[in-house]
Amino acid sequence: QQQVKQSPQSLIVQKGGISIINCAYENTAFDYFPWYQQFPGKGPALLIAIRPDVSEKKEGRFTISFNKSAKQFSLHIMDSQPGDSATYFCAASIYGGATNKLIFGTGTLLAVQP
Amino acid sequence: KAGVTQTPRYLIKTRGQQVTLSCSPISGHRSVSWYQQTPGQGLQFLFEYFSETQRNKGNFPGRFSGRQFSNSRSEMNVSTLELGDSALYLCASSQGQGYGYTFGSGTRLTVV
Repeated sequence: QQQVKQSPQSLIVQKGGISIINCAYENTAFDYFPWYQQFPGKGPALLIAIRPDVSEKKEGRFTISFNKSAKQFSLHIMDSQPGDSATYFCAASIYGGATNKLIFGTGTLLAVQP
Repeated sequence: KAGVTQTPRYLIKTRGQQVTLSCSPISGHRSVSWYQQTPGQGLQFLFEYFSETQRNKGNFPGRFSGRQFSNSRSEMNVSTLELGDSALYLCASSQGQGYGYTFGSGTRLTVV
């Protein structure tokens, strides 16, 4: 029940295309869903996050879509660029709970071809 | 504003030895968490500290331990190293409940 399932494992997109990564969770207590971007040799960096009171959040070319009833959320990268090539992780936690523990998905390796 | 600093960046140890990794959080951040990242298991939560108190611990053997000091700096220790402990160990800091985490670049531990 603590798992966050992420797909696809890898993704190849042409420059200018839309990259879509999906995640699903089981624990209905989760109410904070961040996405992290990780480049080789670096730690994960917070990209964008959403809470269940909204169904969509957009920051620049990055959009999170959230479906509370389906317990799913996804990251959309519009106008994908070669510089977006990285590993993306979704995560879930209980916002403002007794712990900030993050449960991570397994990651998606994105390659944007020029 | 300086980010999360982890030292050392790389470490090679022999099986059976012990190792201590250090993390300096962002100034003002009182919450520090540690994660282990491996290709097979992904990102796994190790422990979380807030104001020198361990708030949560992941499903790791007792060989993994940590602590946080009064200045919020944190260390984690792994005793009796095993080959399977080879991983990237990541430290993350946060202002506290309800705030996002900022990760350091990690310490790459190789056990031979």
